[in-house]
Amino acid sequence: DIQVTQSPPSLSASVGDRINITCRASQTIFSYLNWYQHSPGKAPRLLIYAASTLQSGVPSRFSGSGSGADFTLTISDLQPEDFATYYCQQTYRTPGTFGQGTKVEIK
Amino acid sequence: QVELVQSGAEVKKPGSSVRVSCRASGITFSNSALSWVRQAPGQGLEWLGGVLPIFGPPLYSQKFQGRVTITADESTSTTYMELSSLTSMDTGVYYCARSVDFYGSGSQFDYWGQGTLVTVSS
Repeated sequence: DIQVTQSPPSLSASVGDRINITCRASQTIFSYLNWYQHSPGKAPRLLIYAASTLQSGVPSRFSGSGSGADFTLTISDLQPEDFATYYCQQTYRTPGTFGQGTKVEIK
Repeated sequence: QVELVQSGAEVKKPGSSVRVSCRASGITFSNSALSWVRQAPGQGLEWLGGVLPIFGPPLYSQKFQGRVTITADESTSTTYMELSSLTSMDTGVYYCARSVDFYGSGSQFDYWGQGTLVTVSS
């Protein structure tokens, strides 16, 4: 299976901050990398697919970059509703493996 | 609009099996890939397997091969996930999720069910 390593495991930030979450795959996955937001008691929500394409309805403060094996999710101007856990997922090969998650907490 | 509606919470004994359903509406069921993803307490997301009815046989994660069975009923636009030989490690929330394919272009999960809590306890 392709391993996906996400960092950091958690971070504290304030409303209005800009944050970056990184994801590294154990081999090249080209641009087959997706990002999800998961809040307690809710289903995960697709934010970014194909490394950098914003899902319909997702605010433009979310952006994704990278290709090959290294990827970044950036949230600019952090809002109260953005405090959640974020996961990356590679879908270059099955099984589509997820990163371990990054919990974004209020500072 | 697209909806994936899952069956309700389950409490099971160790060694038993559980079956969770996911009824889809607002999508073309036969050419949608329907996957099952779980989250154990305090853990991340994990793909168990899925089915793309137009292509036939389901795909399974090797970790769950032999213990999970995923089926699709096109007449009711429902997918089922059955997990057998349950242990306490199988406790968690199980989600169904929809994509166009399992890998490559269109493989992102754009719609999710609400989740089903499965508790395994003696």
